[in-house]
Amino acid sequence: DIQMTQSPSSLSASVGDRVTITCRASQGISNYLAWYQQKPGKVPNLLIYAASTLQSGVPSRFSGSGSGTDFTLTISSLQPEDVATYYCQIYSSAPPTWTFGQGTKVEMK
Amino acid sequence: QVQLVESGGGVVQPGRSLRLSCAASGFTLSNTYHMHWVRQAPGKGLEWVAVIWYDGSKKYYADSVKGRFTISRDNSKNTLYLQMNSLRVEDTALYYCARQYRGYDYWGQGTLVTVSS
Repeated sequence: DIQMTQSPSSLSASVGDRVTITCRASQGISNYLAWYQQKPGKVPNLLIYAASTLQSGVPSRFSGSGSGTDFTLTISSLQPEDVATYYCQIYSSAPPTWTFGQGTKVEMK
Repeated sequence: QVQLVESGGGVVQPGRSLRLSCAASGFTLSNTYHMHWVRQAPGKGLEWVAVIWYDGSKKYYADSVKGRFTISRDNSKNTLYLQMNSLRVEDTALYYCARQYRGYDYWGQGTLVTVSS
């Protein structure tokens, strides 16, 4: 089974800071990687798919990069409404794997 | 517009069964999209549970539910199901259905399953 390791588990940053979250897969997954944002008490929301493609309607301060085993979600300038937990997810049909990372809780300093 | 509405959650004793439903609207369940169940235990992260292929030809399950849960779909009702048998306390969670299109582009609001004696 392919495992995902997401880090850090939590972080605290100030408005305007650049925030980076990483996910590492235990084996290569090409670019079958998505990022989600989940605000407290809300349903998860797709931010990025195919490792680096921004979902329609998502602010451009969010970006994704990586391929193979190492992936990054970057918030270029943190805003108060970005307080949330962020998850990466493999979505691969071959081998069939839809594992989520452990999540990163982003708080405002 | 696309909507997914889950139902069927509730409080159940360990060892009992429950069937969740996910009614889809705004799109045809059998067209192109794999459909998933994802759960989230209270205060915990997201856990993938099961997937059914867009044409029903394949189904996959997380190891934690394999042999106990069954995913299915009724195209005539545009509805996804999750039959959960031999429920355990650790199955307590909010269960979401989600549509896969380059990641999960639509999610339902979730239905809460509580397994407790």
